[in-house]
Amino acid sequence: AQRVTQPEKLLSVFKGAPVELKCNYSYSGSPELFWYVQYSRQRLQLLLRHISRESIKGFTADLNKGETSFHLKKPFAQEEDSAMYYCALNTGFQKLVFGTGTRLLVSP
Amino acid sequence: NAGVTQTPKFRVLKTGQSMTLLCAQDMNHEYMYWYRQDPGMGLRLIHYSVGEGTTAKGEVPDGYNVSRLKKQNFLLGLESAAPSQTSVYFCASSPEDRSNYGYTFGSGTRLTVV
Repeated sequence: AQRVTQPEKLLSVFKGAPVELKCNYSYSGSPELFWYVQYSRQRLQLLLRHISRESIKGFTADLNKGETSFHLKKPFAQEEDSAMYYCALNTGFQKLVFGTGTRLLVSP
Repeated sequence: NAGVTQTPKFRVLKTGQSMTLLCAQDMNHEYMYWYRQDPGMGLRLIHYSVGEGTTAKGEVPDGYNVSRLKKQNFLLGLESAAPSQTSVYFCASSPEDRSNYGYTFGSGTRLTVV
């Protein structure tokens, strides 16, 4: 079955603390994973793609095929990082299966 | 450059009424998608299109129809609305080029069926 699991509905941290948003997937093929973010009153937008191996706004994510994970990390959280984060898996033709999302709340 | 535009933004329907949601993109993207978002369930794919004149079913297609007569437009229709179709609907588009994969989303349509 093709599935994306984000176990935490809410992650609350203080400014300057490290952040790790968890994402696990189930997929029989070669996975292609993404993180999308939705800031308050804004549209969902692409944050990063694992194939690009990029760092956006200080966030990184490494695909771990052995653990079937694609956790999103940032060493020092900022208040402007507060948002809803979705992990997504490409199942072909860019059809994405999304996780249920994690709300990140960064307090001052 | 508007990106992806969805109309309307809000709508209230009575059970049994019909309506069409319009999605328009100006980025010349080949792929387009309709998702619904419900509390605690993330986004679920309703229908998608990989090019003008083509459509295919997603995870939750029942009760919906779609059309893509023009490359830039992707229409989602509800023939006979039901309360279970109360949701937030998102349209998205993506280029075909794998190196540029990534959705551009519309702002969403909040639909309530009473």
